[in-house]
Amino acid sequence: SELTQPSAVSVSPGQTATITCSGDALPNQYAYWYRQRPGQAPVLVVYKDTQRPSGIPERLSGSNSGTTVTLTISGVQAEDEADYYCQSSDTTGTYVFFGGGTRLTVL
Amino acid sequence: QMQLQQPGPGLVRPPETLSLTCTVSGGSISSSRYYWGWFRQSPGTGLVWVGSIFSSGTTYYNPSLKNRVTISIDTSKNHFSLKLTSVTAADTAMYFCAISYGDTWPDGFDIWGQGTMVTVSS
Repeated sequence: SELTQPSAVSVSPGQTATITCSGDALPNQYAYWYRQRPGQAPVLVVYKDTQRPSGIPERLSGSNSGTTVTLTISGVQAEDEADYYCQSSDTTGTYVFFGGGTRLTVL
Repeated sequence: QMQLQQPGPGLVRPPETLSLTCTVSGGSISSSRYYWGWFRQSPGTGLVWVGSIFSSGTTYYNPSLKNRVTISIDTSKNHFSLKLTSVTAADTAMYFCAISYGDTWPDGFDIWGQGTMVTVSS
C-alpha cells in the first residue's frame, strides 16, 4: 500500500506548513506522523490521525479527509526544519508502510 | 520512561547474516502492554518497516523481506533481536528498534533506539 508525500515543502518562519500523505487505505486505517532531524531517530508527533503525544506542541496538528491525511505546523519555527514521515497500514491492517518523507525547509 | 539501547556500528560480509539486538530498560519486554519493531533507513532515503513482534511471540514481517527476516524476544536478557540472512549491499542501512504502547495493531511507535549503522561489504 503506497503512501505518497511531497518530497519537499518550504515556508518562512511564522507561516503555516502543510504536509500531505495520500493512500488508498487511509479511509480505513489510521495515520501516524514522525519528525526526524538530521542524525537522529524519528519522533512520533501525531498518532491515530489527529492525536498528539505528550510533549508535542499544539501548533502541530493532524487531520484526515478520506484518502489524504495532513500534518499542519502553525507558526513554523527554525526547530521544525526536519524530515516528516507518515505511517499507515495496508487495507487488511497487517503490514506497516511509510510515505517517502517530506523535507521541511524553514527559509 | 522506557529506553532502548542499540550497539555501535558494524560490518557484515555478504552473504552472511546480519544480527542485531535491542536492549530494553525501564520496563519488561515480556509485558503484553507493548510490542516491538525493527526499521531501517538506507543512506539518504526513507524509513522502511522491517517487522514487529509481540510478547506472545507473534510476528509480522515486511513482505519484501519476509523470507530473510527473523525477529525474536529473549526475556532472560530483556532484549529483542533481528536476524537478516543472505545480506547484500542493498541491506546497508541504519537499523532502528522501537516500542509501541499502542492498544491496536498496527499503531504508532512511541520510543526509538538511537540506531545502529550496518554496512554490508566484502
